[in-house]
Amino acid sequence: RKEVEQDPGPFNVPEGATVAFNCTYSNSASQSFFWYRQDCRKEPKLLMSVYSSGNEDGRFTAQLNRASQYISLLIRDSKLSDSATYLCVAGMAGKSTFGDGTTLTVKP
Amino acid sequence: GAVVSQHPSWVICKSGTSVKIECRSLDFQATTMFWYRQFPKQSLMLMATSNEGSKATYEQGVEKDKFLINHASLTLSTLTVTSAHPEDSSFYICSAAEETQYFGPGTRLLVL
Repeated sequence: RKEVEQDPGPFNVPEGATVAFNCTYSNSASQSFFWYRQDCRKEPKLLMSVYSSGNEDGRFTAQLNRASQYISLLIRDSKLSDSATYLCVAGMAGKSTFGDGTTLTVKP
Repeated sequence: GAVVSQHPSWVICKSGTSVKIECRSLDFQATTMFWYRQFPKQSLMLMATSNEGSKATYEQGVEKDKFLINHASLTLSTLTVTSAHPEDSSFYICSAAEETQYFGPGTRLLVL
């Protein structure tokens, strides 16, 4: 079993749709959680950190459930520019473990 | 945000040659940097943790004699792929952390 598992996708949605990504992690000692965005053939870029209290940044909302070891990302009113691969990350002691990523394609 | 650079961005080499990749933190000091490898359509896999002034810590299955890591200063870590073979062709990415982890732009290695 992988340490960080994500919906494999791909997700193909129309502009304006709301899309949710799920992620689970197996290491209960993980201390930090993030969502990264990776565009094709580019390096990952931090999208947002994830906290138990929830974290919202514009159209993006991330949630952490430590009891279930579950992380989510919600994208509202999706834009064409949101098309990318979204990576779920669980970290501990400075080391990050990445999920395989979920690919999102937003279509006009 | 913090900036991490990598050089070169692209390398094409013949099988058997060694390739050095540099990773620099441009506006902060990084006692620890990380090296990842990503094959097409796969996730980033941590290869090793580079520690300034000491030996790197390698992940299971990563050959330390093949992937030489040197972290000579607080702003520079290098990864040398020794005697590269076609199966080493991949996207190599470094990262350095302040409060969050910042990634370099990556180096695409193609071994012919």
